[in-house]
Amino acid sequence: DTGVSQNPRHKITKRGQNVTFRCDPISEHNRLYWYRQTLGQGPEFLTYFQNEAQLEKSRLLSDRFSAERPKGSFSTLEIQRTEQGDSAMYLCASSWPRDSENPGNTIYFGEGSWLTVV
Amino acid sequence: AQSVTQPDIHITVSEGASLELRCNYSYGATPYLFWYVQSPGQGLQLLLKYFSGDTLVQGIKGFEAEFKRSQSSFNLRKPSVHWSDAAEYFCAVGGMEYGNKLVFGAGTILRVKS
Repeated sequence: DTGVSQNPRHKITKRGQNVTFRCDPISEHNRLYWYRQTLGQGPEFLTYFQNEAQLEKSRLLSDRFSAERPKGSFSTLEIQRTEQGDSAMYLCASSWPRDSENPGNTIYFGEGSWLTVV
Repeated sequence: AQSVTQPDIHITVSEGASLELRCNYSYGATPYLFWYVQSPGQGLQLLLKYFSGDTLVQGIKGFEAEFKRSQSSFNLRKPSVHWSDAAEYFCAVGGMEYGNKLVFGAGTILRVKS
């Protein structure tokens, strides 16, 4: 069972540039999540996919952010025209469907992608 | 408001001593509760979870947590801390009112002194 894989692990970019992060979930998981974590804070929910459908987006996900999961497998998170406030760790997570064996929706995280905007 | 509170930002314990990390939640119905651990620069690893049934749940690495509905708490405990337990610990809550996401507390940083 390979875990959730994210790349790149670290990205330094200049303000105004676009960046893209990729997430490969655990293979049998059909749910995929993006979270953002800044220093001293817990992860904050950004968006959620079930298969290829993006079913929920946080207000934190501004128009400069777009996430896709075109074939229901890997996902990408793109940030356009980056700002210094976008500097954070972007965490991807995945889970099985919520059912009787997973009523609480246990999610499993990747190692995260660090973004530094200079 | 639906939220998770971890009152202690930092905790320092001696190696071999017992540990208790506090977590309080605000949620109307029965919550689903989780503890995750994060080492510096890494992602989050699931330690344990509570969905229903026995209110004392066992997790990995010798951790346990107890759900107390009357106190809206889900405190994490370990009887004897090892230096390798130094990390940041996050409590999280999920449930139907949260939809498909988990809501996390701000975390508690554990330091272990030898």
